[in-house]
Amino acid sequence: DAKTTQPNSMESNEEEPVHLPCNHSTISGTDYIHWYRQLPSQGPEYVIHGLTSNVNNRMASLAIAEDRKSSTLILHRATLRDAAVYYCILRPYSGGSNYKLTFGKGTLLTVNP
Amino acid sequence: IAGITQAPTSQILAAGRRMTLRCTQDMRHNAMYWYRQDLGLGLRLIHYSNTAGTTGKGEVPDGYSVSRANTDDFPLTLASAVPSQTSVYFCASSAEPGSSYEQYFGPGTRLTVT
Repeated sequence: DAKTTQPNSMESNEEEPVHLPCNHSTISGTDYIHWYRQLPSQGPEYVIHGLTSNVNNRMASLAIAEDRKSSTLILHRATLRDAAVYYCILRPYSGGSNYKLTFGKGTLLTVNP
Repeated sequence: IAGITQAPTSQILAAGRRMTLRCTQDMRHNAMYWYRQDLGLGLRLIHYSNTAGTTGKGEVPDGYSVSRANTDDFPLTLASAVPSQTSVYFCASSAEPGSSYEQYFGPGTRLTVT
């Protein structure tokens, strides 16, 4: 499976935008890019996913590089509730029966009031 | 909408005892999953089910069994618990098993085997 590289930690101030980077230089043409986050003592939470084009939803935006070797999760206005570990995950498109999510170490985002 | 519920929230279990962790979803999702989360190891897939009536093994299936008698329920059973099964267990579901579908997670069950 293709690997992702994320910074161990990042810090932001409340109400400021946050750009969380992810490198995935070995991504294959059919891998989906997924982002999840995990708040303290909670289960992982889906944030957003995309394949080639930039994506927006109510939680965040996903900017995907033209060569797809990197992507950036954008939180437009960070709140204290956004403090969490953010995981960038590649999901291969395959005909197999195992569609697990492979969580790496992620980026611990700290939001300062 | 409840989403995914798990029970119990936490449990202390003596080694050798049998335990079933319950998972129920109300989203009519076809696919369901069980993960365990251990410090430093991230989440690892135990078992999965692509649709009611079918199940499959994940990365760490030994010591665990599952069943999927209907769409909504996906119980995980530890036949004879061992201390290495001390972990936080998360159940998840997705509309379909494909990689373009997001997974929704329950709140987790914290299990301690003594």
